[in-house]
Amino acid sequence: AQSVTQLDSQVPVFEEAPVELRCNYSSSVSVYLFWYVQYPNQGLQLLLKYLSGSTLVESINGFEAEFNKSQTSFHLRKPSVHISDTAEYFCAAYNQGGKLIFGQGTELSVKP
Amino acid sequence: DAGVIQSPRHEVTEMGQEVTLRCKPISGHNSLFWYRQTMMRGLELLIYFNNNVPIDDSGMPEDRFSAKMPNASFSTLKIQPSEPRDSAVYFCASRLQGGGNTEAFFGQGTRLTVV
Repeated sequence: AQSVTQLDSQVPVFEEAPVELRCNYSSSVSVYLFWYVQYPNQGLQLLLKYLSGSTLVESINGFEAEFNKSQTSFHLRKPSVHISDTAEYFCAAYNQGGKLIFGQGTELSVKP
Repeated sequence: DAGVIQSPRHEVTEMGQEVTLRCKPISGHNSLFWYRQTMMRGLELLIYFNNNVPIDDSGMPEDRFSAKMPNASFSTLKIQPSEPRDSAVYFCASRLQGGGNTEAFFGQGTRLTVV
């Protein structure tokens, strides 16, 4: 099946702790991979993307994701989270037909 | 650029009424997507267009749903007749396909409530 899977629906963490949000993709989707973030009552915003080249990609607010072809994963990490990182995070990929498909989403809740 | 613009932002309607959601993609983008977001199902792709042509509408739930893109700067998603289970947030997104520009840009969404 052409799919993107996020293994955790909710991830609660304390402020300044590290976090990892997991994403796996099926081998039949393209390797154009994305993480989007959705803050409450807002649309989705691109956080970072992997198209080619270096397997480690970074966002401007300290998140990073690593493309791992052998494990078909694109996990999102941040070494120290802030309260303001509380949001829902979506992993996405294009399938061969050009459809942008999303994982189920992971709700990150950062507590003081 | 103002980004992807959706209207209305909120819509409350009675069951059985026709609902039309509107989307203005980013100027110059040639692909447009309609998504529905609910707590139960997450983000579902309903339909997407390339160069104003519907490419894949397999996600459209029923014949009550229809989408059009009469030109490159406008698309509509219509529900007729509407039902309470259609209540959701509907997002439109656009992208420029090809040339390495692959990310999709999302509008703020339309929150639809059918009572």
